[in-house]
Amino acid sequence: NAGVTQTPKFRVLKTGQSMTLLCAQDMNHEYMYWYRQDPGMGLRLIHYSVGEGTTAKGEVPDGYNVSRLKKQNFLLGLESAAPSQTSVYFCASRSPEEVQPQHFGDGTRLSIL
Amino acid sequence: GQNIDQPTEMTATEGAIVQINCTYQTSGFNGLFWYQQHAGEAPTFLSYNVLDGLEEKGRFSSFLSRSKGYSYLLLKELQMKDSASYLCASLDGNYQLIWGAGTKLIIKP
Repeated sequence: NAGVTQTPKFRVLKTGQSMTLLCAQDMNHEYMYWYRQDPGMGLRLIHYSVGEGTTAKGEVPDGYNVSRLKKQNFLLGLESAAPSQTSVYFCASRSPEEVQPQHFGDGTRLSIL
Repeated sequence: GQNIDQPTEMTATEGAIVQINCTYQTSGFNGLFWYQQHAGEAPTFLSYNVLDGLEEKGRFSSFLSRSKGYSYLLLKELQMKDSASYLCASLDGNYQLIWGAGTKLIIKP
């Protein structure tokens, strides 16, 4: 039972490069989320999705794009990476009942040089 | 604006009791979550409160006072494995989670 799987786990990029982070969940959850976590700050929501084919902006969406082509996958893209995007990125999912807890992946540690 | 406040760091002794406080101000309120996060790992769900009062789950308990915008997580019989960050998160009126920065709990022998 894998739960939420994020790939890659680590990545170093140069400024201006692009990349895609993949999140896959096998719990048939409708809702999926991308967060970033920086030292001394809470988890900040980048984008989220309430179902296949739908996405919405969170608190800090600038510089990121997302896609949810399949229910089980949620992709986070950085078109032109900047040092300010150095962070740990977490994906989470939950079922649509209103107060269910979110289940998190193990995170992707991204450094932009 | 929306805000969650919790202490940055706390230290406690193995076998003792510790209380981690959290105050919140959110646009609407649909409950309060506590998560545990060990260093380098993902957050894991501990508790959820939506009604006032104390909810007990083994060595961990969580309390909520909606009128005061206040919650705490109580950890009893502390073990070394409880060394972690504890994240408080309020579910706002749009059912979005607003996260605190986390409290790093250090357990000493």
